[in-house]
Amino acid sequence: EPEVTQTPSHQVTQMGQEVILRCVPISNHLYFYWYRQILGQKVEFLVSFYNNEISEKSEIFDDQFSVERPDGSNFTLKIRSTKLEDSAMYFCASTGDTYQPQHFGDGTRLSIL
Amino acid sequence: DAKTTQPPSMDCAEGRAANLPCNHSTISGNEYVYWYRQIHSQGPQYIIHGLKNNETNEMASLIITEDRKSSTLILPHATLRDTAVYYCIVRGTQGGSEKLVFGKGTKLTVNP
Repeated sequence: EPEVTQTPSHQVTQMGQEVILRCVPISNHLYFYWYRQILGQKVEFLVSFYNNEISEKSEIFDDQFSVERPDGSNFTLKIRSTKLEDSAMYFCASTGDTYQPQHFGDGTRLSIL
Repeated sequence: DAKTTQPPSMDCAEGRAANLPCNHSTISGNEYVYWYRQIHSQGPQYIIHGLKNNETNEMASLIITEDRKSSTLILPHATLRDTAVYYCIVRGTQGGSEKLVFGKGTKLTVNP
């Protein structure tokens, strides 16, 4: 069964550094999402992306965050100048259409030191 | 905030049916009910979704009340591997926001 894959599984970065989290969505999907989950808290929506544009973003997704689909298979989340509070699990999700369920990857654990 | 209310925890004996309730009294006509689960710190796993008819797939059954204000996810023969946090999410599919709004879910523990 096709699945969403995320790399790396764990990323450790010094505060203030830039980090790029990578996702390979399911191949025929067109809608892409990032969510995050701080340890012990709820899964939170960050951003949705379709047709090379952000279609929706949350208040969390401020100017330090950006997303990109650099080629036909990857979908990335970049965090510039990371902060301690960016430490969380980051989940990528994709779907073929908005009436279909979103399918999630297993996440990247981001630890900011 | 999540538009659903779920009990924080439930227990179930292995091999028995697990019935997980969800209240969504403010659901609107074009909103679906989705169920996901999260095992430990893995990514949320899609289980099932429905609009107003009952649905069944290889993982579970979804029973939606006639007034659509509540639903029940049924795992017919729970196994230890079904221990997870189960999330009931209401979301529209035509226009509007695509985001999934997760609440705290129900932590289901399947006991041997």
